[in-house]
Amino acid sequence: QVQLQESGPGLVKSSETLSLTCTVSRVSVISTVYFWGWIRQPPGKGLEWIGTTSYSGNTYYNPSLKSRVTISLDTSKNEFSLRLSSVTAADTAVYYCARHMASAAEPPDSWGQGTMVTVSS
Amino acid sequence: QSVLTQPPSVSAAPGHQVTISCSGSGSNIGNNWVSWYQQLPGTAPKLLIFDNNKRPSGIPDRFSGSKSGTSATLGITGLQTGDEADYYCGTWDSSLSAWVFGGGTKLTVL
Repeated sequence: QVQLQESGPGLVKSSETLSLTCTVSRVSVISTVYFWGWIRQPPGKGLEWIGTTSYSGNTYYNPSLKSRVTISLDTSKNEFSLRLSSVTAADTAVYYCARHMASAAEPPDSWGQGTMVTVSS
Repeated sequence: QSVLTQPPSVSAAPGHQVTISCSGSGSNIGNNWVSWYQQLPGTAPKLLIFDNNKRPSGIPDRFSGSKSGTSATLGITGLQTGDEADYYCGTWDSSLSAWVFGGGTKLTVL
């Protein structure tokens, strides 16, 4: 059973870059069977997909965030990361990392517990 | 504004059944599999239904899914107070090359 755990600063200043890491246990991020993604949820609101990547290099981003987002794998640590630049208060949310089976078009089937990130002015 | 449209809330009595709708378009629901998630308060979403109507291991058969055209439906029978949660539909949008979610539906078991 895969386990995912998000980590990173809980507070980021406006206009700076948000950086989060997802540590994956029990499966390898270099497996071509899996894709790895990020989803966020602003307080009291719904889910918003941020993007998904894979070891094969296929990466997809939410068109509304694409200019500010980078998702990458660190195979040496079995982790993947999220970088979101030029953050504003609208980026305040719980950020979840998740696994997709087989492709980015498959539903995220395993999720981390989430980490709250607040953007301060 | 979500790409997929869900009712904000539904309610029903314990033991009864409820359905939650999810409406999209040809580029998402119309041509891709639909999934449903349950999010209990303060927890991460859990996959409830995938490929329109399949249940992951451990999900009781009280939960069911269906799809017709550009709409999908989640059904829950034998409602329990523990089913009170937010429910989200989701699917791939082929035009956007993006995963999209509905706005979520809050289920209240009265």
